[in-house]
Amino acid sequence: GQQLNQSPQSMFIQEGEDVSMNCTSSSIFNTWLWYKQDPGEGPVLLIALYKAGELTSNGRLTAQFGITRKDSFLNISASIPSDVGIYFCAGERPMNRDDKIIFGKGTRLHILP
Amino acid sequence: DAGVTQSPTHLIKTRGQQVTLRCSPKSGHDTVSWYQQALGQGPQFIFQYYEEEERQRGNFPDRFSGHQFPNYSSELNVNALLLGDSALYLCASSSQNTYQPQHFGDGTRLSIL
Repeated sequence: GQQLNQSPQSMFIQEGEDVSMNCTSSSIFNTWLWYKQDPGEGPVLLIALYKAGELTSNGRLTAQFGITRKDSFLNISASIPSDVGIYFCAGERPMNRDDKIIFGKGTRLHILP
Repeated sequence: DAGVTQSPTHLIKTRGQQVTLRCSPKSGHDTVSWYQQALGQGPQFIFQYYEEEERQRGNFPDRFSGHQFPNYSSELNVNALLLGDSALYLCASSSQNTYQPQHFGDGTRLSIL
């Protein structure tokens, strides 16, 4: 099935470092979403972006909707142990609210002790 | 306010069997989408139900079918199970009346022996 190109696939960082991950697509999306998934749980929405160029923050998280509408990035500042998990980008093209979400393969964030 | 609930949490089946997974949407939501998440991958869209009808379908065979009930809850049925059907099956709900991103349940882990 169709998926977004998400990178990096995994990251190993020290606690306190900043993190950056991104997502690209050959298709235009009207909405970009960033989710976090912990083991044994479903994805939890972190940030939703609805307009090209939009920059949105949620605490230590910041995400941007690319001007071309084909990409998005997520930054995490001053990482803490509970940031460990898998981060997914997702694109949506809601047409009359009946379109599906397309997910990237995820970025696995590891924090070294 | 209960979120999206799925049952069972885990299930073990053998090849050729049939399985039914259940989902109750978040209170106030009327649309249910089902996703398959293979190990190490992002969720893949299976289909979406609204007003008790399948509105959109991803690239999944007819062995995958569903149903939505008048109370908006939904079932996912898979017939003639294959080893490759082993995955986490996620349900997500949303509302047609207000545009908000989908909320996910914690999924059903299906293992095929």
